[in-house]
Amino acid sequence: DTAVSQTPKYLVTQMGNDKSIKCEQNLGHDTMYWYKQDSKKFLKIMFSYNNKELIINETVPNRFSPKSPDKAHLNLHINSLELGDSAVYFCASSFRDRESPLHFGNGTRLTVT
Amino acid sequence: GQQVMQIPQYQHVQEGEDFTTYCNSSTTLSNIQWYKQRPGGHPVFLIQLVKSGEVKKQKRLTFQFGEAKKNSSLHITATQTTDVGTYFCAGWESGGYQKVTFGTGTKLQVIP
Repeated sequence: DTAVSQTPKYLVTQMGNDKSIKCEQNLGHDTMYWYKQDSKKFLKIMFSYNNKELIINETVPNRFSPKSPDKAHLNLHINSLELGDSAVYFCASSFRDRESPLHFGNGTRLTVT
Repeated sequence: GQQVMQIPQYQHVQEGEDFTTYCNSSTTLSNIQWYKQRPGGHPVFLIQLVKSGEVKKQKRLTFQFGEAKKNSSLHITATQTTDVGTYFCAGWESGGYQKVTFGTGTKLQVIP
């Protein structure tokens, strides 16, 4: 199926741990994003890559490090997890053309205890 | 930076009633998109508006883009329980480097 897929779907971990979330899209898109959705449902962009190049890097703690090995993959590594990192993280992709809609993955619900 | 606000934040309606959510941007937009997120789901693209004053319809949904390209609205006629979810507008900045900012969202609850 053509889609944006993220793994894992759920992630429960303790404070101080390091974790990664993976994202892959087979839609042929050249731009990928990471969004964070908090408990109030606000969707905030964290990072965006275009053809493996970082083009958007919002005010995000250095503990968050994205990596894009190729234009179909965008991973997110988080160091020293904190309680406030608990949220749903969505990967999305689109074409660089700004009229292109975003296609979202199913999300990763991260719970830090 | 750009801010995109939506009102209301929550709306409960009786099934069959109409519903409207409003989206306001602090800056002029090149275009605006609307997304729907079902409970427990992910945002799904509904429609895109590009031209000043543009109006588009999808069955019971009517979307408008303001003349100044700084606001938009989504109106649902005769709501159904399948309309439940959170509706987001997403504005692309004019002249920006392909940055889209999502609105604060409106959560719609339909009471059968």
